[in-house]
Amino acid sequence: DAEITQSPRHKITETGRQVTLACHQTWNHNNMFWYRQDLGHGLRLIHYSYGVHDTNKGEVSDGYSVSRSNTEDLPLTLESAASSQTSVYFCASSEPFYNEQFFGPGTRLTVL
Amino acid sequence: KQEVTQIPAALSVPEGENLVLNCSFTDSAIYNLQWFRQDPGKGLTSLLLIQSSQREQTSGRLNASLDKSSGRSTLYIAASQPGDSATYLCAVANDYKLSFGAGTTVTVRA
Repeated sequence: DAEITQSPRHKITETGRQVTLACHQTWNHNNMFWYRQDLGHGLRLIHYSYGVHDTNKGEVSDGYSVSRSNTEDLPLTLESAASSQTSVYFCASSEPFYNEQFFGPGTRLTVL
Repeated sequence: KQEVTQIPAALSVPEGENLVLNCSFTDSAIYNLQWFRQDPGKGLTSLLLIQSSQREQTSGRLNASLDKSSGRSTLYIAASQPGDSATYLCAVANDYKLSFGAGTTVTVRA
């Protein structure tokens, strides 16, 4: 069955370190998304991609970057982790037109 | 900017009662609306997707309605069960991007 996987599932890091969260989908979807979920803010869009080599900023993109070199993967990089980036991160994907988004299990990131 | 509101924030009902969850949004120019379920510490599971041209969508005990002109959607869950306890999120799509509500946390008491 097609799925989205995220790794690691849990990560503890220190302020200032670079961190990369992996997202891999086997749906063969063109669209991929990264969200963060925080109490009091719900889910907010960080970055998204509509296809290989395409990346776009979401509403909370500062301090994050993504790159899309193939259809299956959209890694999220925190260039210099900050305590404000402690959160649960979700990756999602969808087909271009039907647009039902499917979510991965999430990565819980703690920045100390 | 699209604003999505879900009321109530929490709901507790006895088993067997029907659930009514509300979602409102400010920009009616949506592509579709999606309802999700989230269990504690887990990811989001898609429940129903309503395209902007549809008025409702059904799946088993779940029925979701959409009134795009008034910016409202309602999720009905018939004959609730303890296994329905979870947080329910609605999300509206403008282009291919989703804007989420904060969710309604449902507890079904046995």
